[in-house]
Amino acid sequence: QVQLVESGGGLVKPGGSLRLSCAASGFTFSDYYMSWIRQAPGKGLEWVSYISSSGSTIYYADSVKGRFTISRDNAKNSLYLQMNSLRAEDTAVYYCARVGYGSGRPYYYMDVWGKGTTVTVSS
Amino acid sequence: SSELTQDPAVSVALGQTVRITCQGDSLRSYYASWYQQKPGQAPVLVIYGKNNRPSGIPDRFSGSSSGNTASLTITGAQAEDEADYYCNSRDSSGVVFGGGTKLTVL
Repeated sequence: QVQLVESGGGLVKPGGSLRLSCAASGFTFSDYYMSWIRQAPGKGLEWVSYISSSGSTIYYADSVKGRFTISRDNAKNSLYLQMNSLRAEDTAVYYCARVGYGSGRPYYYMDVWGKGTTVTVSS
Repeated sequence: SSELTQDPAVSVALGQTVRITCQGDSLRSYYASWYQQKPGQAPVLVIYGKNNRPSGIPDRFSGSSSGNTASLTITGAQAEDEADYYCNSRDSSGVVFGGGTKLTVL
């Protein structure tokens, strides 16, 4: 079945780095845009980044621009998020999600989500 | 980036109809998508595009749009619909989520 499984979360000190991975299965990974979304404890969803199917188009939220890098390996059906210069406010559950979109009057949606991986930034 | 504004909390009597709204400038150009999230679980897509439901989403969920406002309507709310609901759309610099609406079914 269609599935996304995140890994790589953990406890890291402020200023540290962490690399998250997302393993995709059950669909043709290389056909889809992918995205990272996070949710701080008790807070709402916050979009972090997305990457086009080929990796040629990438967007970041202002809150992570210059510190986080999204990438993908279509041969390994995997999505990544390299997180550097981590701050306490980056503490959250990080979800990867498959992206769909439509044209005409355009729309963008995330139709498959992983269960998330928890990142805690604390000294 | 632009913002999407949602009411923090809404309640509905069991079996009645409830509308959850989402306002933002990006919604003049893009349709919203809607997600349901229950405690401790990942979000689930319930509506996307003009008014499309993914497979497995009950037809009591519907979406609409007018001007800068998108709406999610639940017709005949059930106890299992109690959850947080988030809207989402593209904008000029990426993607934006609303702050979420906590739906209570009384």
